[in-house]
Amino acid sequence: EAGVVQSPRYKIIEKKQPVAFWCNPISGHNTLYWYRQNLGQGPELLIRYENEEAVDDSQLPKDRFSAERLKGVDSTLKIQPAELGDSAVYLCASSLVDGGTDTQYFGPGTRLTVL
Amino acid sequence: AQSVTQPDIHITVSEGASLELRCNYSYGATPYLFWYVQSPGQGLQLLLKYFSGDTLVQGIKGFEAEFKRSQSSFNLRKPSVHWSDAAEYFCAVAGTGGFKTIFGAGTRLFVKA
Repeated sequence: EAGVVQSPRYKIIEKKQPVAFWCNPISGHNTLYWYRQNLGQGPELLIRYENEEAVDDSQLPKDRFSAERLKGVDSTLKIQPAELGDSAVYLCASSLVDGGTDTQYFGPGTRLTVL
Repeated sequence: AQSVTQPDIHITVSEGASLELRCNYSYGATPYLFWYVQSPGQGLQLLLKYFSGDTLVQGIKGFEAEFKRSQSSFNLRKPSVHWSDAAEYFCAVAGTGGFKTIFGAGTRLFVKA
């Protein structure tokens, strides 16, 4: 079974430029997460989708970040414009809620460097 | 509010020695608890999880963890560490359904020959 796929793996941009990350979850997983992981820290949730609906985006900086999950499968996370502080690893995870519990499977992440 | 504390930023053990990584959590009800491992440049891989039942949980790669409600702890153990175990380890806690997952800051494990 294929795992969570993310692209690109690495991205270097200059500040004020836009950037987008793509995630393809595990087949059949209805829940999708985007996390941001700063250096030396654990992941922090940005947004959670159940199918096409964003059910928790309370931690997403909406002035510059946006996300979408069309057709309830793939998802895209966008930053526009990027700031120096956005440099981090952006992780996507997916899960299939089963019996009221949720185990997340993570992709390899996209390492963003903003210069 | 739920939180996770991993007191050790990094730990160094000799290959073949035993390992224990500490994790303390704060949560008002019965938590869902997880341990993940992250190798450099990789995403997080689930080692084990506790939802209910037996408080001693077995995971992959020879790891186990014990849930102690009285101590609010979920420490990770391995009887004999291999060089390939060198990585960053994250403890996480979630509420009912596991949806709102909070991660600790991680413990980096170094293994010396």
